[in-house]
Amino acid sequence: AQSVTQPDIHITVSEGASLELRCNYSYGATPYLFWYVQSPGQGLQLLLKYFSGDTLVQGIKGFEAEFKRSQSSFNLRKPSVHWSDAAEYFCAGGTPAGKSTFGDGTTLTVKP
Amino acid sequence: GAGVSQSPSNKVTEKGKDVELRCDPISGHTALYWYRQRLGQGLEFLIYFQGNSAPDKSGLPSDRFSAERTGESVSTLTIQRTQQEDSAVYLCASSAGGGGGRYNEQFFGPGTRLTVL
Repeated sequence: AQSVTQPDIHITVSEGASLELRCNYSYGATPYLFWYVQSPGQGLQLLLKYFSGDTLVQGIKGFEAEFKRSQSSFNLRKPSVHWSDAAEYFCAGGTPAGKSTFGDGTTLTVKP
Repeated sequence: GAGVSQSPSNKVTEKGKDVELRCDPISGHTALYWYRQRLGQGLEFLIYFQGNSAPDKSGLPSDRFSAERTGESVSTLTIQRTQQEDSAVYLCASSAGGGGGRYNEQFFGPGTRLTVL
């Protein structure tokens, strides 16, 4: 079945440290992939998206993600985390023929 | 409107009552999704509409839940005989449809917070 998996339920990093959130996908063809962020009490906001072409995509708030076909992954990264990055992060994927699906989310806690 | 809107923003109801939640997608968006998000949980897919195709109802948790969409516009999610476990934020999202990645990028509404007493 087509799916997106986020292996880490909860990640804690220190402020200023680097961050990587994992996302793995299972699709027959190259999917379209997205990362969304949901800050406490807020709606979902699109961070970045991959459709085709350059496998390293830049998003808002200093985030980037790299599409790796060989690993079926689309991990989200940030070089230096800020306290305001504490939030829930969702990876999502889809293909033109079907609906998008979301991973279960990763909760990011930032330690001062 | 500029974005996806949902109403009401908050709804408090008594157990056993029926509720209707409304979603107005972005104009021209052919795809519409409903999700449920319980406190501290992820997104639970409920139903998906794409154009004039039959909706994908595979996520509806019981026959108390139903949804309709009029053409490519407003959608209503109805919960009959509400139960306390229905308390959650109900999110609506729309996407553009057509070819390319635009088809899948979802734009979310602010949600309706439902509390069943």
